[in-house]
Amino acid sequence: AQKVTQAQTEISVVEKEDVTLDCVYETRDTTYYLFWYKQPPSGELVFLIRRNSFDEQNEISGRYSWNFQKSTSSFNFTITASQVVDSAVYFCARQPPPTAGKSTFGDGTTLTVKP
Amino acid sequence: DTAVSQTPKYLVTQMGNDKSIKCEQNLGHDTMYWYKQDSKKFLKIMFSYNNKELIINETVPNRFSPKSPDKAHLNLHINSLELGDSAVYFCASSQVGLSSGEQFFGPGTRLTVL
Repeated sequence: AQKVTQAQTEISVVEKEDVTLDCVYETRDTTYYLFWYKQPPSGELVFLIRRNSFDEQNEISGRYSWNFQKSTSSFNFTITASQVVDSAVYFCARQPPPTAGKSTFGDGTTLTVKP
Repeated sequence: DTAVSQTPKYLVTQMGNDKSIKCEQNLGHDTMYWYKQDSKKFLKIMFSYNNKELIINETVPNRFSPKSPDKAHLNLHINSLELGDSAVYFCASSQVGLSSGEQFFGPGTRLTVL
């Protein structure tokens, strides 16, 4: 199986600290898609970002940034100046090309931001 | 206004019963999914349908039977419920087409089997 590994099970930081959530994936596909989803304590799953395998440009959206490196099969997520509302479980996921197979989610990283 | 809806939100039932969870999306997506999230928050895909056709069927007991009457609906029927079926079940949809789009998730159905 082509795994997605989120090595950090739990991370705890104090508000305003920067934090990076790691994601390493396995794939045999030349084309694939990577995602990050957020699951706050209320339980819903919210899409954050999607990357195509052929687009290694890093992305910044407000306090969130993503670093995609094909050479190391990593797609890390950094929150700058963390806030209590960032407390959630974050999932990294990999999807193959359409109908070519299933999406695979990492086991999630629980981030706790303390005031 | 709701993109992906599931009913019911909570389901408490006895072992051995049969139950269904309904899912509807109004996003016009062509692909729908069922996921199971266990107590450790691990998220595992169960089924995927593309244009009403089953394309992914993970190693799920055949007590679980998805049904897609049309592109906008994917229901999950579970026979002979067991204690281990207790979990949160998420329905999701995405537009696959020529590329794999992000998935939009329903609010989840918390199933408790007593």
